[in-house]
Amino acid sequence: GAVVSQHPSWVICKSGTSVKIECRSLDFQATTMFWYRQFPKQSLMLMATSNEGSKATYEQGVEKDKFLINHASLTLSTLTVTSAHPEDSSFYICSARGYRAGRNTEAFFGQGTRLTVV
Amino acid sequence: AQSVAQPEDQVNVAEGNPLTVKCTYSVSGNPYLFWYVQYPNRGLQFLLKYITGDNLVKGSYGFEAEFNKSQTSFHLKKPSALVSDSALYFCAVRDTSGNTPLVFGKGTRLSVIA
Repeated sequence: GAVVSQHPSWVICKSGTSVKIECRSLDFQATTMFWYRQFPKQSLMLMATSNEGSKATYEQGVEKDKFLINHASLTLSTLTVTSAHPEDSSFYICSARGYRAGRNTEAFFGQGTRLTVV
Repeated sequence: AQSVAQPEDQVNVAEGNPLTVKCTYSVSGNPYLFWYVQYPNRGLQFLLKYITGDNLVKGSYGFEAEFNKSQTSFHLKKPSALVSDSALYFCAVRDTSGNTPLVFGKGTRLSVIA
């Protein structure tokens, strides 16, 4: 399957600082990226969908000014958690879909990022 | 709207026994159905998917799933469980129109006991 690389795999930051999470598609063109959040022992909740070169579409209840998503190229999307607070601590997972060898791909997932805000 | 139900929070099975993890779905059109596995602090690993064709889909690590349209189910099965199969399993669905995201079930934790 295609490879999606997410970095960092874990990060600890102080309350009030910002954290950037990167999601890269290594061997295909990711026209669409999805960002999910997962609380302990719960399912993945979609935060936003971004298409390359366009503004992200946020799910209801997700603050777009707090969770900044950039998808400026076909291989990279970033999620920036601004002015992080302890309640933002969670596991964030990106997913990418697009084209490889002229064919549509299904969604492939990054390894996830464990964010802890202290 | 699409939705997925995984009725069991936890499934326990003895090593070597067959396992089943249940999933039912709701989607307005034809569904694309998926199973993923997640190990602690890791992303999701793809197991298998149903798009069209044979109702019995074979996937990675000896897993298979059967699409049942009349019961709107897509149960995950394996003939003989391994301790290493212990993990969190997610069923997901999306419809066939456009670039829609996957909608996940709440997950089922599988414990295989030696």
